[in-house]
Amino acid sequence: AQTVTQSQPEMSVQEAETVTLSCTYDTSESNYYLFWYKQPPSRQMILVIRQEAYKQQNATENRFSVNFQKAAKSFSLKISDSQLGDTAMYFCALKGGATNKLIFGTGTLLAVQP
Amino acid sequence: GAGVSQTPSNKVTEKGKYVELRCDPISGHTALYWYRQSLGQGPEFLIYFQGTGAADDSGLPNDRFFAVRPEGSVSTLKIQRTERGDSAVYLCASSSGWTGANEQYFGPGTRLTVT
Repeated sequence: AQTVTQSQPEMSVQEAETVTLSCTYDTSESNYYLFWYKQPPSRQMILVIRQEAYKQQNATENRFSVNFQKAAKSFSLKISDSQLGDTAMYFCALKGGATNKLIFGTGTLLAVQP
Repeated sequence: GAGVSQTPSNKVTEKGKYVELRCDPISGHTALYWYRQSLGQGPEFLIYFQGTGAADDSGLPNDRFFAVRPEGSVSTLKIQRTERGDSAVYLCASSSGWTGANEQYFGPGTRLTVT
């Protein structure tokens, strides 16, 4: 079975500061993908960043970067220069092997304070 | 271009009633997915289609739930004899292919409330 665990139900950060959201996962697949999705109050899930497991280099998208530790099965998201618009639920997700379904964690509610 | 759309945005129904939830994927997307998100939880996979056929329906909770995609574009999720435990946000997503690398684009969801 594939699982995703997010142990931080809520986080808070000051505007312009840096915050890191944690995620651990478990899979027996050798070929898999990891994702961070953002879900604002509008409910629309938006892809923030993606990491292919076979790539050793950590993915980066502007202010968003990941720390992918394959041996530890850890996939954390770092948000630099936090903005008020970053306030949302953040979900870590896994897609492994031949299946195309996403396995989500329970989410972390991030509040960016002015 | 237009994203994934879902109708209705909100649906309130009485226990025991039948409901249909509709998903319009991004034009040209061959893969379509349904997820259910209960309050305070992450989305849970229900079913996914490659074209017109259900490639994986392992997430459907029981035989009250059924989904179709007859022409390979619009999909309808059907729930019979609704129960209060079916109350959730139902999310639809589509992707341009069904390999692991294809990004899933999500709609805004339908909030179903069973009273």
